[in-house]
Amino acid sequence: ELKVEQNPLFLSMQEGKNYTIYCNYSTTSDRLYWYRQDPGKSLESLFVLLSNGAVKQEGRLMASLDTKARLSTLHITAAVHDLSATYFCAVNTGNQFYFGTGTSLTVIP
Amino acid sequence: DAGVIQSPRHEVTEMGQEVTLRCKPISGHDYLFWYRQTMMRGLELLIYFNNNVPIDDSGMPEDRFSAKMPNASFSTLKIQPSEPRDSAVYFCASSQQGFSYEQYFGPGTRLTVT
Repeated sequence: ELKVEQNPLFLSMQEGKNYTIYCNYSTTSDRLYWYRQDPGKSLESLFVLLSNGAVKQEGRLMASLDTKARLSTLHITAAVHDLSATYFCAVNTGNQFYFGTGTSLTVIP
Repeated sequence: DAGVIQSPRHEVTEMGQEVTLRCKPISGHDYLFWYRQTMMRGLELLIYFNNNVPIDDSGMPEDRFSAKMPNASFSTLKIQPSEPRDSAVYFCASSQQGFSYEQYFGPGTRLTVT
């Protein structure tokens, strides 16, 4: 079974700071996804990364994929309170999706 | 479009009872996914459909779980008999044309089995 590890699991950061969330996976994968989940809410798709070297940006979030290193990063630039949420990466291989454990982000004013 | 619709939003039932969760995907989406989220196991894919046909059900935990998609606008996930360890949030999601496209999640059904 493919393993997906995220780190850190918990992240507390000040507004205006930059930080990166890492997502490592254990075997070859075709596709990598990032989701956001607010407490008690559903999941919102942020990015779909489909190839090695893919980079996507939306607002203060930027995601990248290195399939050779089996690593994806979610970079947060100049964090604001509204970004507080849990962020999940997920990996697709074959017919299965495997989710990371999530990174709980708290942005402190 | 109203997005993915799930019902009920909350379900509390006693062990041994049958539970049916319902999902209406976004119109025009060919893929439908059922997920389960628990604190212990995180997010798990249970089963997914393509054009109403079940493609992979390897994530269904056991025979007590079954899923159907009788038409393009409706799917059910049934648990019979239910057990306390089935307590979780069950999400339905849909997407266009497979895994290269983003999935849109419904609001989820929070199931509690006592």
